[in-house]
Amino acid sequence: DVVMTQTPVSLSVSLGGQVSISCRSSQSLVHNNGNTYLSWYLQKPGQSPQLLIYKVSNRFSGISDRFSGSGSGTDFTLKISRVEPDDLGVYYCGQGTQYPDTFGAGTKLELK
Amino acid sequence: QVTLKESGPGILQPSQTLSLTCTFSGFSLSTYGMGVGWIRQPSGKGLEWLANIWWDDDKYYNPSLKNRLTISKDTSNNQAFLKITNVDTADTATYYCARPTPFDYWGQGVMVTVSS
Repeated sequence: DVVMTQTPVSLSVSLGGQVSISCRSSQSLVHNNGNTYLSWYLQKPGQSPQLLIYKVSNRFSGISDRFSGSGSGTDFTLKISRVEPDDLGVYYCGQGTQYPDTFGAGTKLELK
Repeated sequence: QVTLKESGPGILQPSQTLSLTCTFSGFSLSTYGMGVGWIRQPSGKGLEWLANIWWDDDKYYNPSLKNRLTISKDTSNNQAFLKITNVDTADTATYYCARPTPFDYWGQGVMVTVSS
């Protein structure tokens, strides 16, 4: 299985600040078809996860441009700028390049 | 718009079979490229993918539970199903269905408790 390692485990941020979350995979996430199926999800307290970013850097419908994804191969980053209260929760990276789909353990974003 | 909703028994005893239903709208499992997946999350813990079923009836399972999982669909009624046999307390979790890949739409989740 592809192991997804997220760092840090938790992050404290001031409103309006910027944060980065790292996600590393144990194998390259480049699919045979050339796509890289790395996604980012946010799970707000008491809610289901929601898709933020897919295929490394594509924002899902309705997602603010304050969220940006980057990376390639095995090393990926989610950046959140101008953090708002509604951004707080647990962020997960996930890969769909190789079965079984796997997720990182999560990064909890809290207010400083 | 796309919506999904899970339903299940709530509580069951060890060794029983867990049967879950995902009822969805806004897309069809008869459409090329469409699928439904199941993911679970024990309380306070991370996400574990369980299985996907696709429009062409292709099925994929998490090998860690493969022998215990069966995924199926009823295209006419816009439903997908997951059965987990021989449940144990370790199967206590919130179970989500979601549309893959990526998992762009998720249901609200259904809590399942395995307890004697």
